[in-house]
Formats: sequence, structure tokens, C-alpha cells
Amino acid sequence: AQKVTQAQTEISVVEKEDVTLDCVYETRDTTYYLFWYKQPPSGELVFLIRRNSFDEQNEISGRYSWNFQKSTSSFNFTITASQVVDSAVYFCALRSDSNYQLIWGAGTKLIIKP
Amino acid sequence: ETGVTQSPTHLIKTRGQQVTLRCSSQSGHNTVSWYQQALGQGPQFIFQYYREEENGRGNFPPRFSGLQFPNYSSELNVNALELDDSALYLCASSLTTVNTGELFFGEGSRLTVL
Repeated sequence: AQKVTQAQTEISVVEKEDVTLDCVYETRDTTYYLFWYKQPPSGELVFLIRRNSFDEQNEISGRYSWNFQKSTSSFNFTITASQVVDSAVYFCALRSDSNYQLIWGAGTKLIIKP
Repeated sequence: ETGVTQSPTHLIKTRGQQVTLRCSSQSGHNTVSWYQQALGQGPQFIFQYYREEENGRGNFPPRFSGLQFPNYSSELNVNALELDDSALYLCASSLTTVNTGELFFGEGSRLTVL
């Protein structure tokens, strides 16, 4: 069975603080893909990153960085120097080669206070 | 903005009625998938269409059905509406069924069933 767990339901920080959103996944497949999406209040899910199971290199994109660790089945997302515009619900998702569908976590609501 | 448009944005129905939701995919995208997102939860995969054929389905009953047209736009039909069908319905388009790439989402249709 495939599963994605985002244990943090809601996180609230003050602007300019760093914040890490946790994602733990379960799958028996050897080839799979991990995603992070952002959902602002408008409802539209915005793609942030995709990682395949063979690429464990961490990635940095501006203030965003992702830490993929197969040993702990985790794919965590860090925002450095957070800004109010980062406030949104963030979803981690999993897809394997054996299945078309994306399996989503429950999301983490991130609140950045000015 | 992704170029995926959904209509209507909001609608209210009563239990037992039928509803049709529409989606125009991003230009050039031949694959459309539909997701149901209940309040405070992650999206749940309903089904996927590729070149007018359903080629993947999640754990939803047959009263959830769909169509994809030659121009790759799509419809989601739900018959015999139940209170639990109240949710945000998201359409996503992509280039191929392989889906190793990102999904482009619309802003969704929010359905309330009374």
C-alpha cells in the first residue's frame, strides 16, 4: 500500500523565520516520484518540485530547499527567511510507475505572520 | 496561471440530483485527471482520461463518470448526489499518461450538496 503522511497539520511562524515541512511516505515500489505542491486560498494547486527515487540529491531553489532521504522515507521541504506570501497549504504527494494516481498527504497549513 | 479552466466555480445542489463539471485543459495537453478534495484533506484521485478513454480510476463508485472530448476538454458527472460529495473538484492536465512530470491544476469547482 502507498501512503503519504504529513504529521504537521498547521505551522505558524513569524516572517523571516525558517520553517521545515515534514513528509514521510510508504511504498513498496523501487521506482517512484515525490512531489510538493502549494495551494493558496484561490484553490489552484501549484507544482513546486518533483523528485524520482533514484535521485537523492538535495535541491535548492531560491528560498526553497528539499531534503530527500530514502533511508528514512522522508522528503522534507524547508523555506528559508519565510515571507507572508508563503502562507498556503502545502501538500506532499507520491506516484509510482505501477499506478497513475498521485497519493497525497493531508497537507500542512503554513501561516506566516508579519 | 496554468491555463486550465474549470466551470462552474461554485454550485449548490440537493441530495439525489446530478451535476456536471467542466474542464478545459492546457493547450497541447492530452491527459486529464480529476480529483476530489474534501475540506481540510488532500486530493483524492477519481479518474484519468487519455485520448478520450478512461485509463485509470481511483476508489470511487460508478455514479462518478467522465468524458474527454477530441479537443481534450473533459467533464465530470456525478449522479445521485450525496451529502459527502460536497468538496472541491479539481481538474489537472498533463502531456502524457506517464505523469512523471508536473500536473497543471485548475482552481476547482466547489460543490455543496444540501
